[in-house]
Amino acid sequence: DTEVTQTPKHLVMGMTNKKSLKCEQHMGHRAMYWYKQKAKKPPELMFVYSYEKLSINESVPSRFSPECPNSSLLNLHLHALQPEDSALYLCASSQDLRVAGAYEQYFGPGTRLTVT
Amino acid sequence: ELKVEQNPLFLSMQEGKNYTIYCNYSTTSDRLYWYRQDPGKSLESLFVLLSNGAVKQEGRLMASLDTKARLSTLHITAAVHDLSATYFCAGGIQGGSEKLVFGKGTKLTVNP
Repeated sequence: DTEVTQTPKHLVMGMTNKKSLKCEQHMGHRAMYWYKQKAKKPPELMFVYSYEKLSINESVPSRFSPECPNSSLLNLHLHALQPEDSALYLCASSQDLRVAGAYEQYFGPGTRLTVT
Repeated sequence: ELKVEQNPLFLSMQEGKNYTIYCNYSTTSDRLYWYRQDPGKSLESLFVLLSNGAVKQEGRLMASLDTKARLSTLHITAAVHDLSATYFCAGGIQGGSEKLVFGKGTKLTVNP
């Protein structure tokens, strides 16, 4: 099973709302990632969790708050977003990087977020 | 800081023809990835290239890596319409976890 799942598939929220994106994998991967992808652009890394600890924050505004409750689950909490935050949010996971060759990232289907 | 450049950014080709997408990267990268993305969809992993001279093939696609030239190529043989998509290369930087730096992508359109 090489599947990463994300919910919801689509989300429309107002600028004063609080919402969360969810990502789940059951491949035993120990690294999980959040990417943001604007239309016709490449994905941009936002956060990386390694062994449930935040290891990379790419200077993301605090209105995005990641959380990794356990090794299979990754959340992205959203609060007071701006219209320019509308994008496809992709989650990915990869195996333990201490294992040679185990670097490949598997991407979920994404959540298309619209901020009104 | 790793930078990844792809060219061309747009590629329109006829079915049955061959073509190559190029991916240059600026500094030493531990590994190079190729992904495919269909419109409105997620990224599908195509190839992971881990060492100099690595060559991998899947169907009509073949990827190679030259770490000395800091160049990876994705060669398309006898293109078919189903290959129409955006192709991204990405360089990997390993720290505590794997950070990917993506090229801008090549939008490939295969015409009948």
